Amino acid sequence: GAGVSQSPRYKVAKRGQDVALRCDPISGHVSLFWYQQALGQGPEFLTYFQNEAQLDKSGLPSDRFFAERPEGSVSTLKIQRTQQEDSAVYLCASSSLPLAGGLSHEQFFGPGTRLTVL
Amino acid sequence: KQEVTQIPAALSVPEGENLVLNCSFTDSAIYNLQWFRQDPGKGLTSLLLIQSSQREQTSGRLNASLDKSSGRSTLYIAASQPGDSATYLCAVSPGGYNKLIFGAGTRLAVHP
Repeated sequence: GAGVSQSPRYKVAKRGQDVALRCDPISGHVSLFWYQQALGQGPEFLTYFQNEAQLDKSGLPSDRFFAERPEGSVSTLKIQRTQQEDSAVYLCASSSLPLAGGLSHEQFFGPGTRLTVL
Repeated sequence: KQEVTQIPAALSVPEGENLVLNCSFTDSAIYNLQWFRQDPGKGLTSLLLIQSSQREQTSGRLNASLDKSSGRSTLYIAASQPGDSATYLCAVSPGGYNKLIFGAGTRLAVHP
């Protein structure tokens, strides 16, 4: 596609409910990132995929958060038993692999999913 | 632990002014630095990417500089316009696969 897309754009969940957020990266982009952005703050890294492999999940705040990218394209971020502190905008970004010589590509971000937990 | 700080947190200027946004980072061992723009309720738009071996990048009225040794970057916006009003975020990649660490942003308002 032309850019990174995310769905749904807005999600309201009751505390304790499970949610699933979807990301469609730019076609052909190998790298996929999830970030969490609280109100008035910069995004914070959650997890990273290279193709279908989840190489870094150090930013996931608890074991209630789970991400997958089974075929190396679309990714889903799942949050189980949502809590009020999970309310945030969840951003997905993709980029291609680094060029030879160590140069890196810029990340392209989707519009985000705004999650509100009541 | 890498920390990114942006100063000022908010800025309001009249149209036509040249302005400078500042970004500092605590660990100079970065892979690259990226400046983004975020409009309310929207995702991030990449403005400029500076590789660790570069000193500056330019795009139209925007110029970003990088001084790795001092842990600083500046984003210079020439002849500001109301359409430049947005939050500007600075992010560094600490190495490897390009994970980004962000500052909290500078909220810019350009009034006619």
